[in-house]
Amino acid sequence: SYELTQPPSVSVSPGQTASITCSGDKLGNKYTCWYQQKPGQSPVLVIYQDTKRPSGIPERFSGSSSGNTATLTISGTQAMDEADYYCQAWDSSAGVFGGGTKLTVL
Amino acid sequence: EVQLVESGGGLVKPGGSLRLSCAASGFTFSSYSMSWVRQAPGKGLEWVAWISPSSTYIHYADSVKGRFTISRDSAKNSLYLQMNSLRAEDTAVYYCVRLESGGSLAAVLDYWGQGTLVTVSS
Repeated sequence: SYELTQPPSVSVSPGQTASITCSGDKLGNKYTCWYQQKPGQSPVLVIYQDTKRPSGIPERFSGSSSGNTATLTISGTQAMDEADYYCQAWDSSAGVFGGGTKLTVL
Repeated sequence: EVQLVESGGGLVKPGGSLRLSCAASGFTFSSYSMSWVRQAPGKGLEWVAWISPSSTYIHYADSVKGRFTISRDSAKNSLYLQMNSLRAEDTAVYYCVRLESGGSLAAVLDYWGQGTLVTVSS
């Protein structure tokens, strides 16, 4: 079955750029979505179709994808961005999530 | 405003059954695919199943295939998940999620409900 791999944790200083990667076989041939989940809350879509931002998502969130890796980039990271982030793609009509990355802003 | 409200969670014994419901509002329910996603306590997200607008296409995760059944009633703007032969590892918060462009690689889980907790324990 298809698998997506994320680093368990990423740390970033306020105002700096955070990058969270998601790896999977030929992931660049699929579309990747990214979800943000804060403690006790439901996930929120922050990037879809690799690079698109839903309305209401700040411009500091961006995405890219190439080869076997998709990347979520948060520019000018703020304390409110501290959360778990999950990548997700579709493989043979089945949804696949990465294991999640805990972003710490310190 | 899109709203998805799950109900039906609770405590059930191993081997038991439970039916989850999701009431949808704020969009044309009959035009969208829908999905269930779950999250075990302290763990990551796991996709469970999705259903197309007319129920023509249905797909399940291998972990629930043969035990869970996803269905929908467009007259009631509702999504369901019938869960049978429940196991301890099915313990999770179950989210009802709207699925834009279901069945394509470009599909997006764009709106999530608040979730309902299912606990499987003796």
